[in-house]
Amino acid sequence: DIQMTQSPSSLSASVGDRVTISCRASQPISKYLQWYQHKPGKAPKLLIYSASTLQSGVPPRFSGSGSGTDFTLTISSLQLEDSATYFCQQSYSNSITFGQGTRVEIK
Amino acid sequence: QMQLLQSGPELKKPGASVKVSCKASGFTFTNSAIQWVRQARGQRLEWMGWILVGSNHINYGQRFRERVTITGDMSTSTAYLELTSLRSEDTAVYYCAHGLGYFDPWGQGTLVTVSS
Repeated sequence: DIQMTQSPSSLSASVGDRVTISCRASQPISKYLQWYQHKPGKAPKLLIYSASTLQSGVPPRFSGSGSGTDFTLTISSLQLEDSATYFCQQSYSNSITFGQGTRVEIK
Repeated sequence: QMQLLQSGPELKKPGASVKVSCKASGFTFTNSAIQWVRQARGQRLEWMGWILVGSNHINYGQRFRERVTITGDMSTSTAYLELTSLRSEDTAVYYCAHGLGYFDPWGQGTLVTVSS
């Protein structure tokens, strides 16, 4: 299986800060990479698909970049409601795998 | 509005089976892909398999191949995940999700607890 490794595991930032989360694949996956937001007790929410395409209805402060093995999710100006766990997911292989998640806390 | 509504929490004994349902609304269920993913406490999400409803094409994750059955009922727009020979390590929140490459929307999750 393709291993997905996120960094950092958690971070704390202030409202208005620029936040970046990294996701690295154990082998090249082209742009078959998605980002999700997950709040406790709720369904995960798709933010970005195909590495950089913003899902409809997602605020433009979220953006994604990368291809091959290295990917980044950026929140350009952190908001209170962005407190959540963010995880990446690869769909290059028939055996789908996820990153371990990055918990974002608001200071 | 696309929505997936899952069945309620389950408490099962080791060795038993569980069947979780996922009812779709707001989109054409036929020819859609429904995924099943689970998350144990403190662990990352783990993909279990998917079904392409209508064609009944199914793909299972290798770890679960011998214990999991995914089905779809077009008459009720409902997908099902059945997991047999439950053990304590199967305690997790089980999610269904719509889509093949990217998943949207997701169901609200079903907590399955395996305990004697």
